[in-house]
Amino acid sequence: SQQGEEDPQALSIQEGENATMNCSYKTSINNLQWYRQNSGRGLVHLILIRSNEREKHSGRLRVTLDTSKKSSSLLITASRAADTASYFCATDAFSGGYNKLIFGAGTRLAVHP
Amino acid sequence: KAGVTQTPRYLIKTRGQQVTLSCSPISGHRSVSWYQQTPGQGLQFLFEYFSETQRNKGNFPGRFSGRQFSNSRSEMNVSTLELGDSALYLCASSLVLDSSYEQYFGPGTRLTVT
Repeated sequence: SQQGEEDPQALSIQEGENATMNCSYKTSINNLQWYRQNSGRGLVHLILIRSNEREKHSGRLRVTLDTSKKSSSLLITASRAADTASYFCATDAFSGGYNKLIFGAGTRLAVHP
Repeated sequence: KAGVTQTPRYLIKTRGQQVTLSCSPISGHRSVSWYQQTPGQGLQFLFEYFSETQRNKGNFPGRFSGRQFSNSRSEMNVSTLELGDSALYLCASSLVLDSSYEQYFGPGTRLTVT
């Protein structure tokens, strides 16, 4: 079963606008990661935020984490057509595994020129 | 530094056959994980190998198996293929066995079972 649930499932915006995607998860985590996937290709790691962090920035990306609400958000500012992709949050699992990631269903982002 | 490579990139098999997929991790990475991605189930963890030992396994039937070699390269095998095994199979490598480290994904192998 999936740990994370992304919201919205799909998002369509114009270039230059900001895109916000949300992720909720069910169990305690050590860290949460965001990945991007372009059209059925491999996943590209975007950012990792640890459970003791509340906010993290990387270029045009801003990730927040609220462990009390078991939720995270990914903000892409000044979006570009090249940001069109699916975005997934992934949490580690306390089930005895170390590198096991539990992925959400993803948000499909379309950025129109 | 070369990224994670997976071969083959595309594969078409018929029901009942078996298939072997290969993954070469980034040089120096010792952990290799496998994931299955389908439109219906999304991304699901298959198993993880570290130092030639399976460290963790997802909820997949025994038809799915894997192994890791001394050079950290990994293979996964699916026997008695079913239509539902059609998926994108992704492999990821990581430096160590620690979820706080980034995982690097390969481009995937697209398996179609007819």
